[in-house]
Amino acid sequence: QKEVEQNSGPLSVPEGAIASLNCTYSDRGSQSFFWYRQYSGKSPELIMSIYSNGDKEDGRFTAQLNKASQYVSLLIRDSQPSDSATYLCAVNGGSGGYQKVTFGIGTKLQVIP
Amino acid sequence: GAVVSQHPSWVICKSGTSVKIECRSLDFQATTMFWYRQFPKQSLMLMATSNEGSKATYEQGVEKDKFLINHASLTLSTLTVTSAHPEDSSFYICSAEAGTRRYEQYFGPGTRLTVT
Repeated sequence: QKEVEQNSGPLSVPEGAIASLNCTYSDRGSQSFFWYRQYSGKSPELIMSIYSNGDKEDGRFTAQLNKASQYVSLLIRDSQPSDSATYLCAVNGGSGGYQKVTFGIGTKLQVIP
Repeated sequence: GAVVSQHPSWVICKSGTSVKIECRSLDFQATTMFWYRQFPKQSLMLMATSNEGSKATYEQGVEKDKFLINHASLTLSTLTVTSAHPEDSSFYICSAEAGTRRYEQYFGPGTRLTVT
């Protein structure tokens, strides 16, 4: 079983719509959860961190965490073509040691103008 | 804040030579730095974890004698690819953990290595 699972996509949404990206993780002891955005040919960029159950909003981005279901999601409101990228879910902590971050394969998002 | 630089951004070298890549945290001290490799259309692969003043911890399957890591200070880690071969051609990315920010990693811009 993969430690962090994401659908590789591509996920296509029209401009202005809400993009919903999902991630599940296997280690119930995980403590910290991150979403990174990676444009093609570039390195990842941290866009959201979430540590407790519930929602965390930052501009057009909302991260949602449900530890009981071992589920993390990222919502992007009013999607723009510039949001087209691969979104990596990352999970830290648990049995892998507190410093080890495990990345999912990433979901490719395409925002259609 | 939390800016990480990497140098060079790209390098071409001949097979059998060695290449050194530098990773610097510019506005924070990083007790821990990480080195990743990413092949086209694949996910990030953690190569090693580097702690300042101690030996790096390598992931399974990564040759520590081939990929030499030195974390000499709280702001600098280096990766040296020794006796490079064409199969080492990849995108190498470092990241640094800002210790006060609960394990958030900040990535450098990456180094694209081509071995001919």
